Amino acid sequence: IAGITQAPTSQILAAGRRMTLRCTQDMRHNAMYWYRQDLGLGLRLIHYSNTAGTTGKGEVPDGYSVSRANTDDFPLTLASAVPSQTSVYFCASRDGTGGNTEAFFGQGTRLTVV
Amino acid sequence: GEDVEQSLFLSVREGDSSVINCTYTDSSSTYLYWYKQEPGAGLQLLTYIFSNMDMKQDQRLTVLLNKKDKHLSLRIADTQTGDSAIYFCAESKGSSNTGKLIFGQGTTLQVKP
Repeated sequence: IAGITQAPTSQILAAGRRMTLRCTQDMRHNAMYWYRQDLGLGLRLIHYSNTAGTTGKGEVPDGYSVSRANTDDFPLTLASAVPSQTSVYFCASRDGTGGNTEAFFGQGTRLTVV
Repeated sequence: GEDVEQSLFLSVREGDSSVINCTYTDSSSTYLYWYKQEPGAGLQLLTYIFSNMDMKQDQRLTVLLNKKDKHLSLRIADTQTGDSAIYFCAESKGSSNTGKLIFGQGTTLQVKP
């Protein structure tokens, strides 16, 4: 079944540790996104990628990095986790950057930094 | 700017109409979207409108766009308990060098029987 998959589903992480959240899509979508969802703040864009080999900063990029080595994968790395990065993280993808296509979302990764 | 603003909460009775409002600041936005999030799930697209349209209707959903005021609304007719969810407004700039998809804070819709 085509779609977008995130892993892990949830994680408890000690502060200072490094963590990579995985995101894979098999729809051959060009654009991919990482958001964090926090109560009262909605979804805030962390990083995005318009196509393989390119990435861009979103609204809240500090403390996060991404890479886009190929079309399918868009991992998000927390180099040294802090408690304020406790959140639910969503990965999304869509067909292009023209704005006229639906974004498909993964089921989310619930991350707790202690 | 890239701010998208929504009120946080709306409560209606089953069978009534719901109107969820959104304002955005970037006049270059070409597409505006409404997404729905049910508890414990990701977001699903409900509908979208292109910036050269004023209105779009899709069954029980009506989207109104006032581009002059940068105001977007979603009307749900005959609201049902199954419509209880968080509704997100989003804007897409449609520009080839950005591709950003920016969301508002989300409006929690509570439908009372």
